[in-house]
Amino acid sequence: NAGVTQTPKFRVLKTGQSMTLLCAQDMNHEYMYWYRQDPGMGLRLIHYSVGEGTTAKGEVPDGYNVSRLKKQNFLLGLESAAPSQTSVYFCASSIQGFRNQPQHFGDGTRLSIL
Amino acid sequence: TQLLEQSPQFLSIQEGENLTVYCNSSSVFSSLQWYRQEPGEGPVLLVTVVTGGEVKKLKRLTFQFGDARKDSSLHITAAQPGDTGLYLCAGGDRGSTLGRLYFGRGTQLTVWP
Repeated sequence: NAGVTQTPKFRVLKTGQSMTLLCAQDMNHEYMYWYRQDPGMGLRLIHYSVGEGTTAKGEVPDGYNVSRLKKQNFLLGLESAAPSQTSVYFCASSIQGFRNQPQHFGDGTRLSIL
Repeated sequence: TQLLEQSPQFLSIQEGENLTVYCNSSSVFSSLQWYRQEPGEGPVLLVTVVTGGEVKKLKRLTFQFGDARKDSSLHITAAQPGDTGLYLCAGGDRGSTLGRLYFGRGTQLTVWP
């Protein structure tokens, strides 16, 4: 049972390039989340999804887009990468409809924008 | 604005010492979760506290939820090098988004042998 899998694990981009980060979960969870983690800033929510075909903005959505075409996958896109988007990106999932459920995290994607 | 304030941000202690990490807010949460994160990995849930005043123990770790459900603490007794890591608290949303969590900035704990 893999849990939450993020690809790629590392990536270096040049300013202005685009890329897509993939998150896949095999726990049949309804809710999925994308966070970024920067030193001293904790985890900040970028976008989240409460089900297939639905997405919503979190705290820091600017410069990112997401899609949830399949229940098990949640994609995070950077259309035109900027150095300020250098960060570690974490995907998480949780079970539907129950308050206080834990979030299950992947091991992160380390992204550097030059 | 950070909904949850964690303190201290960094903690460096010797093996065998006791320590307490605090997580404070002016907001009320449906629950408080504590996660631990090791380098190169994602956070992993340690415990969830739901009821005001609730105390939960996990071996040498004691977690408490404040009576008003606005704050929480994590106490470690006789710390060991294996306790080293980033400890994150997260408050559960009381509104319509049932799964959403608000994370503190974390406490980086280093325990020296």
